[in-house]
Amino acid sequence: QVQLQGSGPGLVKPSETLSLTCTVSGGSISSYYWSWIRQPPGKGLEWIGYIYYSGSTNYNPSLKSRVTISVDTSKNQFSLNLSSVTAADTAVYYCARVRAYYYDSSRYYFDYWGQGTLVTVSS
Amino acid sequence: DIQMTQSPSSLSASVGDRVTITCRASQSIRSYLNWYQQIPGKAPKLLIYAASSLQSGVPSRFSGSGSGTDFTLIISSLQPEDFATYYCQQSYSTPLTFGGGTKVEIK
Repeated sequence: QVQLQGSGPGLVKPSETLSLTCTVSGGSISSYYWSWIRQPPGKGLEWIGYIYYSGSTNYNPSLKSRVTISVDTSKNQFSLNLSSVTAADTAVYYCARVRAYYYDSSRYYFDYWGQGTLVTVSS
Repeated sequence: DIQMTQSPSSLSASVGDRVTITCRASQSIRSYLNWYQQIPGKAPKLLIYAASSLQSGVPSRFSGSGSGTDFTLIISSLQPEDFATYYCQQSYSTPLTFGGGTKVEIK
């Protein structure tokens, strides 16, 4: 059973960079895409971006200028950096495994999720 | 971006009720529609992918249907553990987008 565990600081100052890591256990990070999704308190879900184990990425245009997702296959981890944060970036950040449709390898859904990490942006 | 609109935003139902949640896309997404369940304080859980395919381990009382722009999630007989918020998500194009959610509450 694949498990994802997110980790990182729960408090980040405005204008600084939010950095989170997701550790994958129970399976290899290879041959899959991996994603970050966030949820502001009391609100809905927003896709941030995904990365293939080889390193290719796709980001939400609304965040693209501030987002970097990277992967470390040797540690079975992938990471999120979000720069120049403001209070609007306060959210629970989820990491998730991306699964391709069996009949269309270019389209995806999220089949395993981490528990979520609450990140508050405040001075 | 493809906008996903769910209705209703909330509903009250009793154990044993049949519950229907709808999701509408702002353009055709063929069958690239997924449903998730989120219990408060927990991560979302995949229920349905490709509009109607039941994820392994999900009870058969959950079913999905639809194609194009209109989709439906049905819970045939609501159980106590089903009180949660449900989200649809389109996979047709990036950015991947979610509906605003439907909260199912106890009547």
